[in-house]
Amino acid sequence: SQQGEEDPQALSIQEGENATMNCSYKTSINNLQWYRQNSGRGLVHLILIRSNEREKHSGRLRVTLDTSKKSSSLLITASRAADTASYFCATDDGSNYQLIWGAGTKLIIKP
Amino acid sequence: KAGVTQTPRYLIKTRGQQVTLSCSPISGHRSVSWYQQTPGQGLQFLFEYFSETQRNKGNFPGRFSGRQFSNSRSEMNVSTLELGDSALYLCASSLAIRNTEAFFGQGTRLTVV
Repeated sequence: SQQGEEDPQALSIQEGENATMNCSYKTSINNLQWYRQNSGRGLVHLILIRSNEREKHSGRLRVTLDTSKKSSSLLITASRAADTASYFCATDDGSNYQLIWGAGTKLIIKP
Repeated sequence: KAGVTQTPRYLIKTRGQQVTLSCSPISGHRSVSWYQQTPGQGLQFLFEYFSETQRNKGNFPGRFSGRQFSNSRSEMNVSTLELGDSALYLCASSLAIRNTEAFFGQGTRLTVV
């Protein structure tokens, strides 16, 4: 079963706009990670946020974590065509070694 | 620093055959994890190895097996292939076995006909 559920499943926006996608999870976690995947290729790590952190920034990316709601959001500001990809959140389950993945949000940036 | 290398990139096999996929992690990384990715099921965890020991296993049948060598390179094997095994198989390496960033290879796309 999946720990993380991304929302929306797909998102299409104009270049230059901001994109927000959300991830909800079920159990207590140690950390939550966001990854990007282009066109069925390998995943690229974007950002890791620990359970005691509420917000983290990396370039045009901003991630928030609300452990009381068991949810996280990824904001991409000033989107570019190169941001077109699928975005996945991954969590551990707090006690196990494996990462558990959501189904992903497919983001399309229109020129 | 070289990234995670997976070979081969593409494979076409016939039902009933077996297949071995290879993964070379980033130098210095001792943890290797394997995932199966399909359009319908997303990323499913297969297993994780650390220092040649399997530390965790996902919910896959015994036809799926793996191992890790002393140089941290890993192989996974699928025996008696089924059509449903067609997928992108991803390998990820990391420094430790938990709470750390995972670096992924480009994957091996397996097609079973």
